Formats: sequence, C-alpha cells, structure tokens
Amino acid sequence: DAGITQSPRHKVTETGTPVTLRCHQTENHRYMYWYRQDPGHGLRLIHYSYGVKDTDKGEVSDGYSVSRSKTEDFLLTLESATSSQTSVYFCAISATGGPGTDTQYFGPGTRLTVL
Amino acid sequence: DQQVKQNSPSLSVQEGRISILNCDYTNSMFDYFLWYKKYPAEGPTFLISISSIKDKNEDGRFTVFLNKSAKHLSLHIVPSQPGDSAVYFCAASGGSQGNLIFGKGTKLSVKP
Repeated sequence: DAGITQSPRHKVTETGTPVTLRCHQTENHRYMYWYRQDPGHGLRLIHYSYGVKDTDKGEVSDGYSVSRSKTEDFLLTLESATSSQTSVYFCAISATGGPGTDTQYFGPGTRLTVL
Repeated sequence: DQQVKQNSPSLSVQEGRISILNCDYTNSMFDYFLWYKKYPAEGPTFLISISSIKDKNEDGRFTVFLNKSAKHLSLHIVPSQPGDSAVYFCAASGGSQGNLIFGKGTKLSVKP
C-alpha cells in the first residue's frame, strides 16, 4: 500500500468555521490531489499540486484553498465551511501526473460533517 | 456533461460466476483508463489499467477490455468472490485532460 495518511479521519464542525485537512505521503511522489466523494457524483477533483508551492484548480474548487510547502504534505482548507461541503475527502498521489501514465493512489479518506 | 459514464449503479452476481462492469466515455482524446475498487470507509484501491494502444489487459481474475471505436471499456471478474463486493469506479485521462475523470461508480454484490 502507498504510504498516504489523512488527518483527521473524522470531523464535525459548524457552518462558518475554518477547517484544514492534512494529507501526508512517504512516497516522495511529485503529484498530490484532493477529491471529494458524494452520492451520485463519484469522485470529483478539488485541487491538485504538481510540486512544492505549485497548485492548480480542479473541477469543484470554489470554497477551497490548498497549500504545499513540503513534498510530503498537502493541506486542504475550507475558509468558511458550509453544509454543502459535507462530504468524504480523499487525498491521492501519483509519481508522474501526466496523461497516459496517471495511476493515482488514494489515502483512507476524511469524513467531514458541517452542521 | 459527463465524460465518463457508468450507467449501472448496481450489479448482483452469484459467487463463481462472471461479473461484467461497463464504462462508456465521450472524449476521443482519452488514452489511459483505470479501474478502482472501493470498500466502505476506505479509500479507492487501484485495480487494473489499460492504455489505448491495447484492447485487453489481464491481471489474475481481472481483465479489462477496451473498444475504442465504441468508446467503451469493461471489467471482467472471473470467478467472482464475495470479497469482490465493493463499488467499482472507472476513470480516464488523456489529451488536454491531464487529470483523471471518474465515473459515478457501480456497486457490485457477489452472493455466496
């Protein structure tokens, strides 16, 4: 199994509060991703990173920001959580990130509930 | 607009029989396809992949078939086992789409 951990694994918070989720990898992979999974939607990309301090938006980036100050850590921040951000969040990593070779490996997930 | 479609939300199969999970895509520039398996409360696990230069890839009980003209791929599991019960996601990438695009998943139930 790829060395990917996510913290916290579960979190309940209130609307309007800031929330930060952490993804940590021990594989030294260049690419890291944040997805959310919701019923009826599969997995949707929020943001991704192609190197330290290099990030870009995904399909559903509104309301989220990310930071990557070290190769091993990728943080997802909800500046002001809303109930629509209640979801399961997955981090993923890949060595190459390019089309044609992009096998991604996923962390165990964080279940976030916004009341 | 969905670029990767898994039209069957669920599939039930008897143990020992073949499971066939289907996936359709619309973007002709996709050239790499993957299947992931997901158990409840766990992250998706990579299962098998196929490049567009091939039409078949096999790994043990799992075989993925790619029909580029029909923009269709399928995952065959033979023989099916109760431990295969999970949600299976199809994903694709290629062309200007460097990141993976996932289908909504198919829940497979293998009955003993």
